[in-house]
Amino acid sequence: AQKITQTQPGMFVQEKEAVTLDCTYDTSDPSYGLFWYKQPSSGEMIFLIYQGSYDQQNATEGRYSLNFQKARKSANLVISASQLGDSAMYFCAMREIDSSYKLIFGSGTRLLVRP
Amino acid sequence: NAGVTQTPKFRILKIGQSMTLQCTQDMNHNYMYWYRQDPGMGLKLIYYSVGAGITDKGEVPNGYNVSRSTTEDFPLRLELAAPSQTSVYFCASTATGLFDTIYFGEGSWLTVV
Repeated sequence: AQKITQTQPGMFVQEKEAVTLDCTYDTSDPSYGLFWYKQPSSGEMIFLIYQGSYDQQNATEGRYSLNFQKARKSANLVISASQLGDSAMYFCAMREIDSSYKLIFGSGTRLLVRP
Repeated sequence: NAGVTQTPKFRILKIGQSMTLQCTQDMNHNYMYWYRQDPGMGLKLIYYSVGAGITDKGEVPNGYNVSRSTTEDFPLRLELAAPSQTSVYFCASTATGLFDTIYFGEGSWLTVV
């Protein structure tokens, strides 16, 4: 069964510094996708980045990159040059074919960016 | 495009009442999902559907029912509302591919008193 774990309930980072948000997953399906979402205080879910299980390169989207270590089953989100607007909840999520493409979320990490 | 539309946005229910949260998407997506999010927590999957006429339970289905009579609509029914069902509910949809973008509705805030 698929499972997503985020072990950091909350984190602080200084503005303009980089921060890594941890995500580990468990699956026996060789075909899966990993997602990161941002949820600001307004509540909407904002898609940040995607990594497929067969992708050879780590995904990048602007200031966001995904440190994908398949053997360790980890998919950490790296935010470079943090901005005050990055303060939000961040969720890691996974879909796998064997589970009929169910999308399962981790418990989230609350990031606060200090000026 | 409207994307994923949820109604109502806010609702207060009394214990024991029933209601339906509506979810409609106009993107012809096969996959649709209902989640609940308790304060400060992650999203828990309630029910999902892989196409019209096909639904299945997620992580927390108790107290809820769904139907999928059309591709566009995926209503969530709360029977005999309980305070434990106070939460924010999100509907989402996506196409078939593993990498396809997942679209979320804006959420429905439900309070049971």
